[in-house]
Amino acid sequence: AQTVTQSQPEMSVQEAETVTLSCTYDTSESNYYLFWYKQPPSRQMILVIRQEAYKQQNATENRFSVNFQKAAKSFSLKISDSQLGDTAMYFCAFMKHERSSGSARQLTFGSGTQLTVLP
Amino acid sequence: DTAVSQTPKYLVTQMGNDKSIKCEQNLGHDTMYWYKQDSKKFLKIMFSYNNKELIINETVPNRFSPKSPDKAHLNLHINSLELGDSAVYFCASSQGGTGAGGYTFGSGTRLTVV
Repeated sequence: AQTVTQSQPEMSVQEAETVTLSCTYDTSESNYYLFWYKQPPSRQMILVIRQEAYKQQNATENRFSVNFQKAAKSFSLKISDSQLGDTAMYFCAFMKHERSSGSARQLTFGSGTQLTVLP
Repeated sequence: DTAVSQTPKYLVTQMGNDKSIKCEQNLGHDTMYWYKQDSKKFLKIMFSYNNKELIINETVPNRFSPKSPDKAHLNLHINSLELGDSAVYFCASSQGGTGAGGYTFGSGTRLTVV
């Protein structure tokens, strides 16, 4: 079974600064996907960024980038130029690679990090 | 226009009642899910359906029964509601293939049992 650990329950950052959220995971799988989801106060779960384990290049999406260290089983999220709208709960999640279209594609979530961007 | 829609968004009910939450997706995805988010914001899978077939059934009380009339709909029926069922319930869907696309979530249903 896979586990995902987010060791920072809460973090804060000043507007326009950079912040890094940590995530580690444990798996015996060699091929998998990692995700960061954002949950603002509106409650909606929003996909921020995804990483495929077989790709060495770190994923980036505008101000969001990841530092993926496969050997260390670490997947941190860096938010540059933080904005007030980035205030949210951030969840790291793991999904095993599934070849069969009929297989379960279960997302396993970490416990979340509440990020507050301060004006 | 909404990709994954859940109704209702809020549900307040008394202990012992039976209630249903509906979910529909218009993305053409073949797999749908129910997740429960508890008061500490922890998300745990409850059920997954692929093309109307149940493929994940986690340890959930049998008072919870999912129903998928077609691959675009996955409803959750809860019998004899208890205080501990209070939570936010999320429906989600994903596209066939390897799973690389992740999930698209509905906006959640906040269930409060009083």
